[in-house]
Amino acid sequence: AQSVTQLGSHVSVSEGALVLLRCNYSSSVPPYLFWYVQYPNQGLQLLLKYTTGATLVKGINGFEAEFKKSETSFHLTKPSAHMSDAAEYFCAVSDRGGSYIPTFGRGTSLIVHP
Amino acid sequence: SAVISQKPSRDICQRGTSLTIQCQVDSQVTMMFWYRQQPGQSLTLIATANQGSEATYESGFVIDKFPISRPNLTFSTLTVSNMSPEDSSIYLCSVGWGNTGELFFGEGSRLTVL
Repeated sequence: AQSVTQLGSHVSVSEGALVLLRCNYSSSVPPYLFWYVQYPNQGLQLLLKYTTGATLVKGINGFEAEFKKSETSFHLTKPSAHMSDAAEYFCAVSDRGGSYIPTFGRGTSLIVHP
Repeated sequence: SAVISQKPSRDICQRGTSLTIQCQVDSQVTMMFWYRQQPGQSLTLIATANQGSEATYESGFVIDKFPISRPNLTFSTLTVSNMSPEDSSIYLCSVGWGNTGELFFGEGSRLTVL
């Protein structure tokens, strides 16, 4: 079964600083990869996804992620953090040719300081 | 995309009672899922709600505790039965989109059991 590891339950950055949220998966076959964001008192919203093609994927709100097969990683980045980026971020993976039901990481809480 | 409405958005319940959460989707979808998000934790899949048949439950979840209905392709309910404080969680309805594992989520139902 797939597993997803998000390093760091909390990441703290200053406004304007680089955001880097880490995600590693366990499968030897590259899965479908997703990042979701959960703002306070809301459900999850898709930020971006990798299914095929270009390994650098751009999402909403200036976020992007790069699929690196050799590192089994799909880290999320944003060049300049904004206060409104403070939220919980979840990495998720699903198997190609499988049930397509995703496995979620434990989540990383992004804290943005003024 | 899909727009998902969940009711209630939050509730405070007494131990031993039951609560039914409703999930309405603005389009017909094949796959509907119910997740639990306990405080500070990731999402755990409770079950897949199948239209016209019994739900498929994940390990650790049983129908007597979490009965699910799926009367048509746009609606589902999850009941949390005989509640205890350990059932205090966010319960999320979601629908699958495409064949990659991408999900759309409702806003969540925040349940506190006293």
